[in-house]
Amino acid sequence: EVQLVESGGGLVQPGGSLRLSCAASGFTFSSRAMSWVRQAPGKGLEWVSLISSSGDSAHHADSVTGRFTISRDNSKSALFLQLNSLRVEDTAVYYCAREVVVGRAFDIWGQGTMVTVSS
Amino acid sequence: QSALTQPASVSGSPGQSITISCTGTSSDGFGYDLVSWYQHHPGKAPKLVISDVSNRPSGVSNRFSGSKSGNTASLTISGLQPEDEADYYCSSFRGSSTLYVFGTGTKVTVL
Repeated sequence: EVQLVESGGGLVQPGGSLRLSCAASGFTFSSRAMSWVRQAPGKGLEWVSLISSSGDSAHHADSVTGRFTISRDNSKSALFLQLNSLRVEDTAVYYCAREVVVGRAFDIWGQGTMVTVSS
Repeated sequence: QSALTQPASVSGSPGQSITISCTGTSSDGFGYDLVSWYQHHPGKAPKLVISDVSNRPSGVSNRFSGSKSGNTASLTISGLQPEDEADYYCSSFRGSSTLYVFGTGTKVTVL
């Protein structure tokens, strides 16, 4: 079964850091680009970051550039998101998502992990 | 970057058809025909129902169909069923610094 399982969320103070993980299984992880997408409470989905299948290319939304870093370990089928200088507005459920082979969409999503930034 | 514009809510009776619109601008990448649609039941993982404007992934009911005209994409759900009650989001690949933009989301209610 193709599956993505996120972990690492929690409560953190403004200015703090957190590292999210996403464990992939059931497919050849190293062949797919991966993204993080978040959803703030009561709000819509927002794309955050994308990393190429090999890990040599990464992109971040303007709202998180310079604060968040996406990375991956293909040997462990794992995706990561390092969140630094966290703000209250970063509070959200963070989903990892697999990009389709051809085209631009996300065909597999995890259940998400909650990040709460509050003092 | 502003989100794509969707109606906040759409409702219909079982068996009816409904259409959800998704409007963007030329800078939102609609010219690439890389618009996708997602079904999201709260608390669960979002599900891809349409990719590349009108492509239905394997396993998705043929009651879901997509189209696009200019800077407006549409998702039609025909033969509405109770399990279709969910939030629906469109998305477009922009290809700029912020690669993807999502819509504001539409809550579908089955009466």
